[in-house]
Amino acid sequence: EAQVTQNPRYLITVTGKKLTVTCSQNMNHEYMSWYRQDPGLGLRQIYYSMNVEVTDKGDVPEGYKVSRKEKRNFPLILESPSPNQTSLYFCASRKTGADEQFFGPGTRLTVL
Amino acid sequence: AQTVTQSQPEMSVQEAETVTLSCTYDTSESDYYLFWYKQPPSRQMILVIRQEAYKQQNATENRFSVNFQKAAKSFSLKISDSQLGDAAMYFCAYRRSNAGNNRKLIWGLGTSLAVNP
Repeated sequence: EAQVTQNPRYLITVTGKKLTVTCSQNMNHEYMSWYRQDPGLGLRQIYYSMNVEVTDKGDVPEGYKVSRKEKRNFPLILESPSPNQTSLYFCASRKTGADEQFFGPGTRLTVL
Repeated sequence: AQTVTQSQPEMSVQEAETVTLSCTYDTSESDYYLFWYKQPPSRQMILVIRQEAYKQQNATENRFSVNFQKAAKSFSLKISDSQLGDAAMYFCAYRRSNAGNNRKLIWGLGTSLAVNP
């Protein structure tokens, strides 16, 4: 089954404790992206990647890191999480040149 | 800057009835794309329908159709014969035709649709 998976689905952590949210797709898509979804602010792009070893900032990259060492994986790293990073996070992927993005199921992150 | 506005935060419809969700956008571009995405309670976003601005014909996907009014910058989604599984948050999104490789989408804030049995 073609899909984008994210782990964990839910995470409660404390300020300053480094964490990684994994994202993996099995559709051989070149493009991957991370979004955060907040009430009243909608979906905002954090980082995106056009292909392996090619990443770029989205609209709200501060406090986040990403890497793209393999085509299928695009982890989101929070080196020192803060409460303002409490949010719902989505990973998405698509083929180069296509419009349809395939989204993961989301990760609900709470930073205390 | 482009913006997307969904003026109805919440709507409801009776099962088997028809409902229309509104979306307006602001742009100075003449060529662009518009989308409706669905986010059910499972949270996974799914593309419902896509419209190219240079096409006069309104896009249709089974029970979902759009009313694209380019001059009015309006892009409403009509759901016919509503089903319980249509209950979800619906997002309208816009992108410029020359949005670069990122193909960045501008998102509305969503409309929560409830379907009553």
